[in-house]
Amino acid sequence: KAGVTQTPRYLIKTRGQQVTLSCSPISGHRSVSWYQQTPGQGLQFLFEYFSETQRNKGNFPGRFSGRQFSNSRSEMNVSTLELGDSALYLCASSLSPLRDRSADTQYFGPGTRLTVL
Amino acid sequence: AQSVTQLDSHVSVSEGTPVLLRCNYSSSYSPSLFWYVQHPNKGLQLLLKYTSAATLVKGINGFEAEFKKSETSFHLTKPSAHMSDAAEYFCVVSLNKFYFGSGTKLNVKP
Repeated sequence: KAGVTQTPRYLIKTRGQQVTLSCSPISGHRSVSWYQQTPGQGLQFLFEYFSETQRNKGNFPGRFSGRQFSNSRSEMNVSTLELGDSALYLCASSLSPLRDRSADTQYFGPGTRLTVL
Repeated sequence: AQSVTQLDSHVSVSEGTPVLLRCNYSSSYSPSLFWYVQHPNKGLQLLLKYTSAATLVKGINGFEAEFKKSETSFHLTKPSAHMSDAAEYFCVVSLNKFYFGSGTKLNVKP
């Protein structure tokens, strides 16, 4: 099976702009989670989508939003970019079985490196 | 409440010597536990996972981890470090969502 893919891999934007990142999960996976990784804050959970619905959410401002399509592909949008939004954005997918979610396993994509100037 | 603590932010070993990366968790239930590895500017790769079967779990690249309920630990070990093991390692606890440790950077000296 193909792994998790993220596009684009690298992105340079300026303050105030908005950006959309895309994630295609492993075939058959229904859950997609997004994470922000920075040297200062480490790995932080943004949100999780399951069956086109946001199931969990981290502590990020409303400028960060996401959505999931019927084919499980997900997009993440950041509006009004700030310098501090420069980070590696990671997407992870999982089967997320309705029973025994404790056995679920996340598989990560290579990430999108966003630089805000 | 549940959380995961990686006790060392940096570990440095010489090539050919054993590796020990420590992880403790707190959970009201028996969790699933994972170790992931991240090489520079890459995504996270699953090393191994524990889901209440055998307490000693073998992973890829010669790594293994032992689940010790009495100590609430899930330490990652490897008998002999290789230069290619230099990376950041994350311990993860899962119940209804995933909780990530703060990461341990492993440096391997020649």
